[in-house]
Amino acid sequence: NAGVTQTPKFQVLKTGQSMTLQCAQDMNHEYMSWYRQDPGMGLRLIHYSVGAGITDQGEVPNGYNVSRSTTEDFPLRLLSAAPSQTSVYFCASTSGTSIEQFFGPGTRLTVL
Amino acid sequence: AQTVTQSQPEMSVQEAETVTLSCTYDTSESNYYLFWYKQPPSRQMILVIRQEAYKQQNATENRFSVNFQKAAKSFSLKISDSQLGDTAMYFCAFMKTGNNNDMRFGAGTRLTVKP
Repeated sequence: NAGVTQTPKFQVLKTGQSMTLQCAQDMNHEYMSWYRQDPGMGLRLIHYSVGAGITDQGEVPNGYNVSRSTTEDFPLRLLSAAPSQTSVYFCASTSGTSIEQFFGPGTRLTVL
Repeated sequence: AQTVTQSQPEMSVQEAETVTLSCTYDTSESNYYLFWYKQPPSRQMILVIRQEAYKQQNATENRFSVNFQKAAKSFSLKISDSQLGDTAMYFCAFMKTGNNNDMRFGAGTRLTVKP
C-alpha cells in the first residue's frame, strides 16, 4: 500500500494563478480531509469528505474548492491564488470505523 | 468550538533524560479523543499516542505516556529515555467522537534532544 500520496511536493505560483493539489489514497477510506499548516499554528481543516460525492467545509474554507468523484481521490483547487495561501498543505484519510488519520507527506505552496 | 493550547513553543532535553510536553484544551463535549502527533523535519505527521476520554487509564506506548486529567482538561506527553530521533515538532490534537474528519490541533512544541 502506498497509503496517502500527494502531488506535487513543492509548488510556486504567482498571485491570481490557479492550480490543483492532488491527493490519493489506496486504503479504501471513506473519510478524506485537507489541512493547511502555517508557522506558529497547528494544522487547520480546510475541507473534508465523508464519501464519494459528499464534501463539506472545515474551519478555513475560503479560497479553496474540493470535489470527490471517487473514493480514492480528493483534489484541492485554488481558483485564484493569493499570498495568504502560502502554506504547507496536508491531505489525510481515515476509515469510518477507525479514529486514526493517515497523513500524506504534504505540499509546500508558495504564492508570490 | 474546541481549542487546543500548547504553551511551550520550544523545549530541549538531554539524551536519555525525561521530558514532559504540556497541552490543555477547551470543550463542552464529554466524549472525545486526544492525540499527540510527531512531525520530524521530513514533515510527515506520525501518530505517537492517543487517548479516549472515557478511559480513566492513561495511555502508554513504549517510551511515551500521557497524563490525562479530564476535569482539568489537560493532556501532557511524557517522553522517557529521550533519543536523538525524538527531535521533532509535537502537536496535541482533539477530535469529537463521531466526527472523524474534524481534528483540532495545538500550535506545536519544538523539541530538541541534545547529545
